[in-house]
Amino acid sequence: GAGVSQSPSNKVTEKGKDVELRCDPISGHTALYWYRQSLGQGLEFLIYFQGNSAPDKSGLPSDRFSAERTGGSVSTLTIQRTQQEDSAVYLCASSLAQYRTQYFGPGTRLLVL
Amino acid sequence: GIQVEQSPPDLILQEGANSTLRCNFSDSVNNLQWFHQNPWGQLINLFYIPSGTKQNGRLSATTVATERYSLLYISSSQTTDSGVYFCAVATGTASKLTFGTGTRLQVTL
Repeated sequence: GAGVSQSPSNKVTEKGKDVELRCDPISGHTALYWYRQSLGQGLEFLIYFQGNSAPDKSGLPSDRFSAERTGGSVSTLTIQRTQQEDSAVYLCASSLAQYRTQYFGPGTRLLVL
Repeated sequence: GIQVEQSPPDLILQEGANSTLRCNFSDSVNNLQWFHQNPWGQLINLFYIPSGTKQNGRLSATTVATERYSLLYISSSQTTDSGVYFCAVATGTASKLTFGTGTRLQVTL
């Protein structure tokens, strides 16, 4: 079956611009996660959605970062007023339920110039 | 928060050799996964193993939850096994994964 998909694959933007990253989870998966991978920080958690519960936003690094999940499926991660330190690979994962195996998408490579 | 340590940080093997990668964690876990990140950056799930032993072909994993460590065994290594291996855990009521810093494996001919 289809895995987790993300778009765009690559994004180059100028400092100060807003960007939107999209994630399509595996069909039927109720849990959706965003992580990012950067050279200096390794792999780190950003935000988690589970069904209709309030999201766990504890990993968002600043209020410039936000995410939403519409209809329990597709999710969008928005970064406002991008900074050079936001350059990283943004990874989305989904799982059938809480505490189950997380499956990762191919990531979006963001470069802020 | 929970600490995850992986060893060794780097490993070079000749094709056909066996290896053991270790993951130590500082608290009880409700999820432990091993991933292989290939040269294109894709994170591939190898095992979901918060406790016990599992095997999949040339790979196997064991987690001893009471002693807070997990081992990933790679037998008869192949060049396609090259990449970075990550251990990731979740603890308490949280679902978010905390990743180790990885073991970079290079398999040579």
